[in-house]
Amino acid sequence: LAKTTQPISMDSYEGQEVNITCSHNNIATNDYITWYQQFPSQGPRFIIQGYKTKVTNEVASLFIPADRKSSTLSLPRVSLSDTAVYYCLVGDMNTGFQKLVFGTGTRLLVSP
Amino acid sequence: KAGVTQTPRYLIKTRGQQVTLSCSPISGHRSVSWYQQTPGQGLQFLFEYFSETQRNKGNFPGRFSGRQFSNSRSEMNVSTLELGDSALYLCASSPAGTGKVNTEAFFGQGTRLTVV
Repeated sequence: LAKTTQPISMDSYEGQEVNITCSHNNIATNDYITWYQQFPSQGPRFIIQGYKTKVTNEVASLFIPADRKSSTLSLPRVSLSDTAVYYCLVGDMNTGFQKLVFGTGTRLLVSP
Repeated sequence: KAGVTQTPRYLIKTRGQQVTLSCSPISGHRSVSWYQQTPGQGLQFLFEYFSETQRNKGNFPGRFSGRQFSNSRSEMNVSTLELGDSALYLCASSPAGTGKVNTEAFFGQGTRLTVV
């Protein structure tokens, strides 16, 4: 499974847009990019998943350039409750089985 | 619909004992996977079960084992507990199936195991 690199931590203020970039230089053709959010002492929660270009849902947007060697999770107008650890994962979603490889994640701190 | 349920939420055990953790997946999900989360090692994959069969296994010693029942409920067992086994154990269920594209994994709130 492709290894991912993302910033250890980021700081932001309420109402700002936050962009977290993840590098995955060795991404394979069948790999999808998935982002999870985790609050302390809780299980990770799926945010968004994409293969190429741009994906948007009610929570976030995911931007993936043509070479797919990186991706950017965009959180619009963050609030204090968005303070959490965000994980970028890359894996072959066509295998049918579930094995998520989590990296170190990005610890986002949103301040008033 | 109900989410992934893990029991118990908290557990304290003594070194050398064994422990069994339980996970009830979302109705209709046949894939159940287990993860260990510690401050030092982060989130690590333990194993995954699908239709009562272990399909994938992480790099953990044989003291860590699991099983899945016909109703997709899963249990994880750790024998001869060590202090380093203290962690948050997370279970995830998924609609993943053979030959199908994965979508997402749904995690439970975890079982916090403390070994003393």
